[in-house]
Amino acid sequence: ETGVTQTPRHLVMGMTNKKSLKCEQHLGHNAMYWYKQSAKKPLELMFVYNFKEQTENNSVPSRFSPECPNSSHLFLHLHTLQPEDSALYLCASSQLGTSGGDDTDTQYFGPGTRLTVL
Amino acid sequence: AQTVTQSQPEMSVQEAETVTLSCTYDTSESNYYLFWYKQPPSRQMILVIRQEAYKQQNATENRFSVNFQKAAKSFSLKISDSQLGDTAMYFCAFMASSGTYKYIFGTGTRLKVLA
Repeated sequence: ETGVTQTPRHLVMGMTNKKSLKCEQHLGHNAMYWYKQSAKKPLELMFVYNFKEQTENNSVPSRFSPECPNSSHLFLHLHTLQPEDSALYLCASSQLGTSGGDDTDTQYFGPGTRLTVL
Repeated sequence: AQTVTQSQPEMSVQEAETVTLSCTYDTSESNYYLFWYKQPPSRQMILVIRQEAYKQQNATENRFSVNFQKAAKSFSLKISDSQLGDTAMYFCAFMASSGTYKYIFGTGTRLKVLA
């Protein structure tokens, strides 16, 4: 596997279900991100993990719960979602730092999980 | 607060022609990065080009180049010799060099390349 991978690619769940989205990055990066992409809206940053520590929670409802067990893996645990939570959820990673390399702070995205909440 | 505006929701271009996508942003930061990302239909978002604000020279990447006007806070993307595979949503993004590593995205421009 290369780059950033996400599983599952598609998920349909009822409002009372509990499910998890998984993201894995194979780039040796030290930061990971969750975004929500809805039609006709800008990408919304949900969470940022920097060296496994959560540094950003963008006023996300508590029915979304992130977990970052190590710098390569990121999860988004979902429970009691609402139909308006249906969207494409994107994971990204980047190398944060002061090295000033050409790639520093550039985010690389996974293919996303298309979530439908019934 | 920073904002990014893409004023062209949809554009089309004939194959082999040149097209320019516009992006303007607002910030009080002096050091920052700007990016263009491409998201083909049902496919992964990929980086097209990246510009560091302190660099005067416009970034280029093969058929893709930018016109970075720092004073005007403008960052347009030029695609030369358009190909059918360039059909995609294009997002402009801003990130301040200091602080939170947050990207601010525009709403995107849907580009269709016509055969």
